[in-house]
Amino acid sequence: AQSVTQPDIHITVSEGASLELRCNYSYGATPYLFWYVQSPGQGLQLLLKYFSGDTLVQGIKGFEAEFKRSQSSFNLRKPSVHWSDAAEYFCAVGALRNAGNMLTFGGGTRLMVKP
Amino acid sequence: KAGVTQTPRYLIKTRGQQVTLSCSPISGHRSVSWYQQTPGQGLQFLFEYFSETQRNKGNFPGRFSGRQFSNSRSEMNVSTLELGDSALYLCASSDDTRHEQYFGPGTRLTVT
Repeated sequence: AQSVTQPDIHITVSEGASLELRCNYSYGATPYLFWYVQSPGQGLQLLLKYFSGDTLVQGIKGFEAEFKRSQSSFNLRKPSVHWSDAAEYFCAVGALRNAGNMLTFGGGTRLMVKP
Repeated sequence: KAGVTQTPRYLIKTRGQQVTLSCSPISGHRSVSWYQQTPGQGLQFLFEYFSETQRNKGNFPGRFSGRQFSNSRSEMNVSTLELGDSALYLCASSDDTRHEQYFGPGTRLTVT
């Protein structure tokens, strides 16, 4: 069975500083990997995805993530954080079963941004 | 395109009652999945429907059920509500080729 670990429950960064959120996954085959962001009281917004090909993927809002098969990681990065980035971030692995896609999520990382 | 919509947004029910939540997917999306989000268990997959058929199911008791209509709209039902069913229920739709799931705002269910 697949699993996702986000080691950092909370992270605080200063506005303008760089950000890296960690994600480690366990999956028997080549995974489909996703990062979602959730603002308070909202649903999940897809930031970016990795299916295959280039291991560095670009997403919305200036985010990028790098897939490292050898480390089973898919860390999310942003060079300069804005106050509006404060939210909870979820990494997910997608398992194709019966031609459908079931997402397994990590526990989330809550990002706080200091002015 | 309009996004995924869920109704109602908030719901308060009493233990033992049943509840039905509704989800309208993005136009053209035929796959609808449901997830439960709680502080203790996080985000957990409930089930997925495609073309009116349940295609995948998570590890939830039979009190949780769902269905999908010919227009791809989906409902989920929880019978005999328990306090532990209090959660944010999220619906996601997918076009089944790109395997990207787009989420609605959720229905916040409180069981008292």
